[in-house]
Amino acid sequence: EVQLVESGGGLVQPGGSLKLSCAASGFTLSGSEIHWVRQASGKGLEWVGRFGSKANSYATAYAASVKGRFTISRDDSQNTAYLQMNSLKTEDTAVYYCTRHAGSSYGYGLDVWGQGTTVTVSS
Amino acid sequence: SNVLTQPPSVSVAPGKTARITCGGDNIGIKSIHWYQQKPGQAPVLVVYDESDRPSGISERLSGSNSRNTATLTISRVEAGDEADYYCQVWDTSDDHPVFGGGTKLTVL
Repeated sequence: EVQLVESGGGLVQPGGSLKLSCAASGFTLSGSEIHWVRQASGKGLEWVGRFGSKANSYATAYAASVKGRFTISRDDSQNTAYLQMNSLKTEDTAVYYCTRHAGSSYGYGLDVWGQGTTVTVSS
Repeated sequence: SNVLTQPPSVSVAPGKTARITCGGDNIGIKSIHWYQQKPGQAPVLVVYDESDRPSGISERLSGSNSRNTATLTISRVEAGDEADYYCQVWDTSDDHPVFGGGTKLTVL
């Protein structure tokens, strides 16, 4: 079964750090473009960043709201992607999802989503 | 511009047809995708590339797209269709998804 499972969420103080994991099964992460999307309580979906595929040279990209604070990486030996979050702000409080771009073209959507992990930034 | 505008809410009686719109500049020339999200759950891709359905998605869900408005149509609405629905396109400048604000579908 194709699956993504996030972990690592929790409560952290403003200015703190947290590292989320996204473990894949049923497919190889290295062949896919992986995105992180977050959702604050009662709000819509917000793109956070991506680790690209071969089609875009495995490049990372980030939303302006997290650029310089968040870093996405991938460990192919573990078939796992990571979201390192530093200098956390209260407005980063959200459920964080990792998700897979189904193909290498814009004709495909995000076809596999993890269950989400909750990050709460509060003093 | 990749701003996508959705109505906050749509209400429909069981057995009727629900139409959820997604507006954006020249959206008709873009591939649009739709997600369903039920409370406490992750989003699920229900329509991709305007009108294609992933395996396992009901044929009652269909999509269309023209000029500045894309539409997700749900026929013979059931109580289980009650959820938030999001449209999405790709920002081609740096390959990231852009989401609409979401529409809450209420089944009366």
